[in-house]
Amino acid sequence: EVQLVESGGGLVQPGGSLRLSCAASGFTFSSYWMSWVRQAPGKGLEWVANIKQDGSEKYYVDSVKGRFTISRDNAKNSLYLQMNSLRAEDTAVYYCARDSARIAVAFDAFDIWGQGTMVTVSS
Amino acid sequence: AIRMTQSPSSLSASTGDRVTITCRASQGISSYLAWYQQKPGKAPKLLIYAASTLQSGVPSRFSGSGSGTDFTLTISCLQSEDFATYYCQQYYSYPPTFGQGTKVEIK
Repeated sequence: EVQLVESGGGLVQPGGSLRLSCAASGFTFSSYWMSWVRQAPGKGLEWVANIKQDGSEKYYVDSVKGRFTISRDNAKNSLYLQMNSLRAEDTAVYYCARDSARIAVAFDAFDIWGQGTMVTVSS
Repeated sequence: AIRMTQSPSSLSASTGDRVTITCRASQGISSYLAWYQQKPGKAPKLLIYAASTLQSGVPSRFSGSGSGTDFTLTISCLQSEDFATYYCQQYYSYPPTFGQGTKVEIK
């Protein structure tokens, strides 16, 4: 079964850090761009970042540039999101999602999603 | 960033109704558009990509059309399991952006 399972969410104080993980199974993880998408409580979806199959290219939404770092370990079939200098507005459910299967195409429809992990930034 | 605007923001419909949701892009995106369904507490589910291609396993009552800046998601005969929030998303250019969502509620 094709599956993505996120972990690592929780309550953190403003200015703090958190590392999210996403474990992939059921498909060749190293063949896909992978993304993080978030959803603030009661709000819509916002793409956060993505990473190329070999980790050589990364893209971020402006609001997280310089604070968040996306990475992957293809040997462990895992995707990560290191979040530093967290703000209240980063409070959201964070989803990992399978992105493009084409090496030269960075963005595509997200066909597989994890169940999400909640991040709450509050004092 | 390309702005995606959905209309309406919400609608009330009955089982068996034909429902149409519109998505407009602030600039041309060719056919690089996807539609998702999201139920409360669940992850989004891909319904349609490339504006009109049905994702595997999605019922044929769902259809998509459009290109350029104007797109439509149609549910031909609304079923009870279709009551949810629907989002469009462009993947034509960085950053990928979503519409604000359309909530389909029971009349």
